[in-house]
Amino acid sequence: DGGITQSPKYLFRKEGQNVTLSCEQNLNHDAMYWYRQDPGQGLRLIYYSQIVNDFQKGDIAEGYSVSREKKESFPLTVTSAQKNPTAFYLCASNDGLNTEAFFGQGTRLTVV
Amino acid sequence: AQSVAQPEDQVNVAEGNPLTVKCTYSVSGNPYLFWYVQYPNRGLQFLLKYITGDNLVKGSYGFEAEFNKSQTSFHLKKPSALVSDSALYFCAVRDGVGANNLFFGTGTRLTVIP
Repeated sequence: DGGITQSPKYLFRKEGQNVTLSCEQNLNHDAMYWYRQDPGQGLRLIYYSQIVNDFQKGDIAEGYSVSREKKESFPLTVTSAQKNPTAFYLCASNDGLNTEAFFGQGTRLTVV
Repeated sequence: AQSVAQPEDQVNVAEGNPLTVKCTYSVSGNPYLFWYVQYPNRGLQFLLKYITGDNLVKGSYGFEAEFNKSQTSFHLKKPSALVSDSALYFCAVRDGVGANNLFFGTGTRLTVIP
């Protein structure tokens, strides 16, 4: 089945640790995105990548980093510099301006 | 700058009644508009989109939306609500001449009352 897979579904982080969220797609899409979802704030764009080996900062990139070494993969690292990382993180991909984005099932990150 | 507004945080409707979830947008170029639905602790599912053409767009699960350029609106509608339609709904916009990223509204929680 084609789709986007995010792992893990739940992640717990101690303060001061870096953690990496996985996002893999087998849809052959060029563009991939990371969003953060907080209650009452909708989805906010963290980073996006329109092609392999290239990515751009979104609206809230501070404290996050990404890589795009393969077309299928777009991992997100939440660094210790992100002061309020507890949130629901969503990965998405699409293939062109007029196409809808496909979303993964999300990763819920909690700082303990 | 692109932006999307969903003026209602919560919409309640009785089962069998028509429902409307409102969305207005702002873009500098031609808008590409989308509606998504989210169930608890899940990703977003695509419902429908407007790119060009007929202003009335039909989508999944009996939903439809009407693009109104003069009012810069893209309201989601369904003639007869089901309890299973209860979820969080997001409107999103992409500027046709801008970067390939979606801007989302803050979401509207729809509750269909049996």
